[in-house]
Amino acid sequence: GQSLEQPSEVTAVEGAIVQINCTYQTSGFYGLSWYQQHDGGAPTFLSYNALDGLEETGRFSSFLSRSDSYGYLLLQELQMKDSASYFCAVREDQAGTALIFGKGTTLSVSS
Amino acid sequence: DTAVSQTPKYLVTQMGNDKSIKCEQNLGHDTMYWYKQDSKKFLKIMFSYNNKELIINETVPNRFSPKSPDKAHLNLHINSLELGDSAVYFCASSPLRGTEQYFGPGTRLTVT
Repeated sequence: GQSLEQPSEVTAVEGAIVQINCTYQTSGFYGLSWYQQHDGGAPTFLSYNALDGLEETGRFSSFLSRSDSYGYLLLQELQMKDSASYFCAVREDQAGTALIFGKGTTLSVSS
Repeated sequence: DTAVSQTPKYLVTQMGNDKSIKCEQNLGHDTMYWYKQDSKKFLKIMFSYNNKELIINETVPNRFSPKSPDKAHLNLHINSLELGDSAVYFCASSPLRGTEQYFGPGTRLTVT
């Protein structure tokens, strides 16, 4: 079957570093994406990893290990505005038409 | 200059009614999607269309019928609404083989 596991909640303080892990088991795998969703808002794209290794985009980095079926999103220099839900999502087909989402991790950043 | 737009933003209706949600994207993308997000924030793909053709039809009751009049529009019609249909419905689009999906603002459907 298909499953993506990520922690349901993470809390941290401003300025800290947080890592949100995602393990997956899917019928196909072409890449792992991360999306951010603020309360009442739409999911917005953060990053995509097709190959093993670390991708860095500003304060956010994403890592993938295909052999371990594992990835993580690393958020550095946390800010209050980073409080949101974070979803990992597996791209199951080459065309990118099948995106399977995890259940999301709610990140709460306090001052 | 909204990229992906949906109407209406809120929809409150009674069980048994039929309703439609409209989606338009001005990004020139070939592929459009409908997702359902339940009260626990679980986001699940319902349909995927590429260039007006149905690509993915997940296990969704046949009361849900998507229609794509052209590749910039993907509408969702729901017949005989049930309480369990209450959710936020997101439309999204992407280039074919693109790595990023662009989501609309969502339509919060409440069935009473």
